[in-house]
Amino acid sequence: SQQGEEDPQALSIQEGENATMNCSYKTSINNLQWYRQNSGRGLVHLILIRSNEREKHSGRLRVTLDTSKKSSSLLITASRAADTASYFCATDQMNRDDKIIFGKGTRLHILP
Amino acid sequence: DAGVTQSPTHLIKTRGQQVTLRCSPKSGHDTVSWYQQALGQGPQFIFQYYEEEERQRGNFPDRFSGHQFPNYSSELNVNALLLGDSALYLCASSIFGQGGNTEAFFGQGTRLTVV
Repeated sequence: SQQGEEDPQALSIQEGENATMNCSYKTSINNLQWYRQNSGRGLVHLILIRSNEREKHSGRLRVTLDTSKKSSSLLITASRAADTASYFCATDQMNRDDKIIFGKGTRLHILP
Repeated sequence: DAGVTQSPTHLIKTRGQQVTLRCSPKSGHDTVSWYQQALGQGPQFIFQYYEEEERQRGNFPDRFSGHQFPNYSSELNVNALLLGDSALYLCASSIFGQGGNTEAFFGQGTRLTVV
């Protein structure tokens, strides 16, 4: 079963615009991670946010976490064509060993 | 420093056959997890290996089995292949016991097609 649920399922925006993707999850977590996947290949780790953190930045990426609502958002600013990919949130489960569970992903398409 | 390597990259098998996929974890990592990703879906957790033992298992039948070797590399075996087993199989390596506080590194995957 999948713990996370991304929203929207698909998103198309113009190059240069900001892209926002959301993730909701069901159980308490230790941390939440965001991954990118290009063309059905391997997953690239983008950012990890711990349950006691509310916001984290990495370059053009901004991630927020609201544990009371069991939700997270990923913001990509000033989007580029190379950002076209699928984005997944992944959560562990508190008090469980290291297993991470993925959502179904958001397919992001950056239009030239 | 090599990351996670998986072999082969592509594989075509016939229904009923058996397949073995291989994974070498990132240097310094001792835990290997396997995921199945169907087209258009998120990765689904199959199982995790640490200290040559299966530590956790997802909702997959016994046809899916694995092994971890003393050098931490791992194999995923699938018996009696079904058409529905066609998917991208991803291997992730991590360090055990970090309470989920370290990122998992993924290989490029093995694309399995069952015909």
